[in-house]
Amino acid sequence: SQKIEQNSEALNIQEGKTATLTCNYTNYSPAYLQWYRQDPGRGPVFLLLIRENEKEKRKERLKVTFDTTLKQSLFHITASQPADSATYLCALPGGYSSASKIIFGSGTRLSIRP
Amino acid sequence: KAGVTQTPRYLIKTRGQQVTLSCSPISGHRSVSWYQQTPGQGLQFLFEYFSETQRNKGNFPGRFSGRQFSNSRSEMNVSTLELGDSALYLCASSLVRATTNTEAFFGQGTRLTVV
Repeated sequence: SQKIEQNSEALNIQEGKTATLTCNYTNYSPAYLQWYRQDPGRGPVFLLLIRENEKEKRKERLKVTFDTTLKQSLFHITASQPADSATYLCALPGGYSSASKIIFGSGTRLSIRP
Repeated sequence: KAGVTQTPRYLIKTRGQQVTLSCSPISGHRSVSWYQQTPGQGLQFLFEYFSETQRNKGNFPGRFSGRQFSNSRSEMNVSTLELGDSALYLCASSLVRATTNTEAFFGQGTRLTVV
């Protein structure tokens, strides 16, 4: 079955720098991959979706890449701000026969220090 | 428009009891998925309901069950509660089935504590 690994449990960077988070998957390449943000005690909030035929997707200060050869997605936040501090989760379909079973990575807790 | 509403927000139950959690999706959304989130296991898929039918199920014991009503509202039930069931239970709604790579909208969750 599909497994997801997010590079590090926590990432601490200086305000203004670019934060880069990694999501690796182990099995087949999914048709799409999503990124969510979760604040403590709240449900995840959808940020971006990237499809397998898209190499890159941008939304304001956010950029996501999808490399099906490396089985990896990178999530970038440019000009990071303390308000970007949160846990970021990647998500993808659980399998060909269970595409509606969305599985999530364990998340990377991002802290932006002023 | 109103977001996904989960009730109650907090719940404390005793081992062996059963519990029912409720989720009202965004108006017009027909798919509701449930997740369990714990510090050790992260977000784990429980099941998805669409048009009142369970479409997919995660690897949870039969003590976990759910249903969806004709107005798309969904309930999940956990019987014979165990300490390990303590978690944040999240539901997510989407306009159509999750297979169509549509974004999911999550509720605030129900924090269940089993003592």
